[in-house]
Amino acid sequence: KQEVTQIPAALSVPEGENLVLNCSFTDSAIYNLQWFRQDPGKGLTSLLLIQSSQREQTSGRLNASLDKSSGRSTLYIAASQPGDSATYLCATNLSGGYQKVTFGIGTKLQVIP
Amino acid sequence: NAGVTQTPKFQVLKTGQSMTLQCAQDMNHEYMSWYRQDPGMGLRLIHYSVGAGITDQGEVPNGYNVSRSTTEDFPLRLLSAAPSQTSVYFCASSPVQGYEQYFGPGTRLTVT
Repeated sequence: KQEVTQIPAALSVPEGENLVLNCSFTDSAIYNLQWFRQDPGKGLTSLLLIQSSQREQTSGRLNASLDKSSGRSTLYIAASQPGDSATYLCATNLSGGYQKVTFGIGTKLQVIP
Repeated sequence: NAGVTQTPKFQVLKTGQSMTLQCAQDMNHEYMSWYRQDPGMGLRLIHYSVGAGITDQGEVPNGYNVSRSTTEDFPLRLLSAAPSQTSVYFCASSPVQGYEQYFGPGTRLTVT
C-alpha cells in the first residue's frame, strides 16, 4: 500500500526566504505526482502536476521535482510571500488504469512579514 | 465555468439519519471522486467514477453509496450517519486518468 510522507509538518519562515517542502512515497510505480495548496476552510488548489516521465515542473515562483527511484519529490518556493501561507499537500497516483490517489498529510507553511 | 461545486457547505446530522452530498462539475470531466479529510490523516478516497454509469470503491467506502447517472453529477449518499463520519468531504474531477484533479470547496459534516 502506498504511503506518502511530508516533512516537516509545519514550517515558519520570514518573508523573502527560499524554501523547500519535501514529499516521500514508498511505491515508486507512480503515474504522476501532484502538489496542492489548501487554505484554511477551503478546498484544494492544484499547483503542479509531474508525470512519471518528467523530472520537474515550474510555475512562476514554484518548482517541483520528482525522483522516482528514491521515492521523493520536492516543492521549491522562491522569494516567499505572506500570501504563500497555507497547507501544501502532495499526492501520488499509482499506475493501473483507475484513479487511485494517495495524499500526504501536508506541510503547514507560515510566511512571516 | 463554475468548476466543481458542492452543496451544502455545512451540515449537522443526528446518528441514523441519511442524507446526500451533492457534487457537480461543468467541465465535461469523465473522472470524479469523493474524498474525506480528517485531522492528522491525508485525504482518503471513498468512491470514484470513470464515467457515467461506472463507479468503484476507494479506500473507505463503508457507509457510503454513489451513483453516476450523468457526466456532470456525482452525489454521495450517507445511508445511516454515524459519528465516525464526521469529516470534511471533498469532491474532485479530472478530464482523464493521469491529468490534474480539480477540487470542490468541501462540505463540513458533523454527526451527533
